[in-house]
Amino acid sequence: RKEVEQDPGPFNVPEGATVAFNCTYSNSASQSFFWYRQDCRKEPKLLMSVYSSGNEDGRFTAQLNRASQYISLLIRDSKLSDSATYLCVLEGTDSWGKLQFGAGTQVVVTP
Amino acid sequence: GAVVSQHPSRVICKSGTSVKIECRSLDFQATTMFWYRQFPKKSLMLMATSNEGSKATYEQGVEKDKFLINHASLTLSTLTVTSAHPEDSSFYICSARDFTPRRVSTDTQYFGPGTRLTVL
Repeated sequence: RKEVEQDPGPFNVPEGATVAFNCTYSNSASQSFFWYRQDCRKEPKLLMSVYSSGNEDGRFTAQLNRASQYISLLIRDSKLSDSATYLCVLEGTDSWGKLQFGAGTQVVVTP
Repeated sequence: GAVVSQHPSRVICKSGTSVKIECRSLDFQATTMFWYRQFPKKSLMLMATSNEGSKATYEQGVEKDKFLINHASLTLSTLTVTSAHPEDSSFYICSARDFTPRRVSTDTQYFGPGTRLTVL
């Protein structure tokens, strides 16, 4: 089993619609969770951290379910500029802050 | 915000040559830098953790003699792909962690723009 698993998509979303997807992880000791965004042929950029209580940043809402070992990302009122690959990222428990990346979920927002 | 640069952004080379990729933190000191490799439609895979003034720590399956890492200063780490072959063609990305590891949140790990290596 992969340590971080994501549905690769693509999720084709009409502009203005809502899209949500999950990421499952296998290491129950993982402490920190993030969603990154990666545009084609670019480096990943931090979208938001994921807190146990759930958190929201504008149109983006992230949730963490430790019992079932998954995190989720919901995008409301999708914009064309939201088209990207969304990477689920976990920080390991070592002292160096190593990150483990999922392969990403592709979202395509259409006019 | 903090910036990490990588040079070159793209390189095309012949099989058997060595390629050096530089990763620089431009406005902060990075005692730790990470090197990743990403194949198309795959996740970023950590290759090694580079620590200033000491030997890099390589992930399982990554050949240290093939991928030489040098972290000579707090702002520069280099990755040299030695005797590159077509299967080494990939997107190499570095990230740099701010000076105080784990004191601040991990969003202080800043990514470089990546280097696309094509080996013919």
